Amino acid sequence: NAGVTQTPKFRILKIGQSMTLQCTQDMNHNYMYWYRQDPGMGLKLIYYSVGAGITDKGEVPNGYNVSRSTTEDFPLRLELAAPSQTSVYFCASSPMGQGVTDTQYFGPGTRLTVL
Amino acid sequence: GENVEQHPSTLSVQEGDSAVIKCTYSDSASNYFPWYKQELGKGPQLIIDIRSNVGEKKDQRIAVTLNKTAKHFSLHITETQPEDSAVYFCAASKASGTYKYIFGTGTRLKVLA
Repeated sequence: NAGVTQTPKFRILKIGQSMTLQCTQDMNHNYMYWYRQDPGMGLKLIYYSVGAGITDKGEVPNGYNVSRSTTEDFPLRLELAAPSQTSVYFCASSPMGQGVTDTQYFGPGTRLTVL
Repeated sequence: GENVEQHPSTLSVQEGDSAVIKCTYSDSASNYFPWYKQELGKGPQLIIDIRSNVGEKKDQRIAVTLNKTAKHFSLHITETQPEDSAVYFCAASKASGTYKYIFGTGTRLKVLA
């Protein structure tokens, strides 16, 4: 299993541009999450999904959108990028509710800079 | 709102010494407490976790203790090695249907050789 994979690893955007951060997991997990990590801070939840077709907002959803059309994929969309969205973005998945564990498994992250 | 406080923010220890990181949570309904290790340029990786029905759990050089009354839990690393140098995050979660984590702000551990 590759686990949780994220692309791209790095990206520089200009203010006002849009992009999609990709996240894929091959563990058949039903729960998936998007976090952002600012320097010296913990992880803040942006959006999460409890299964295909179901998404909900986390702590800091403004400026982002998500979709979950399949179990495997959970892309994060940035519309009209702003400097405040400069951060490292992590995707995670978990087999919550599948009788296994509550553990979240993280991808390697995408470092995004908005100039 | 729900909150997890983590201390210290940085910790330097000599190789072979012990390191202790402490977290306090606010939501008494929290029942799952994982600890993650994040190395430079990588995503967080689970190193140990504990549930609210257990007071202590150990895995080789790593242990976690939980005090539900005081609402705090701690990570203990014994016989530290240079490869233990990383940022450590605690989190708290509850079985509420969404299983969202609330993370602490992280502790940067440096093990000096």
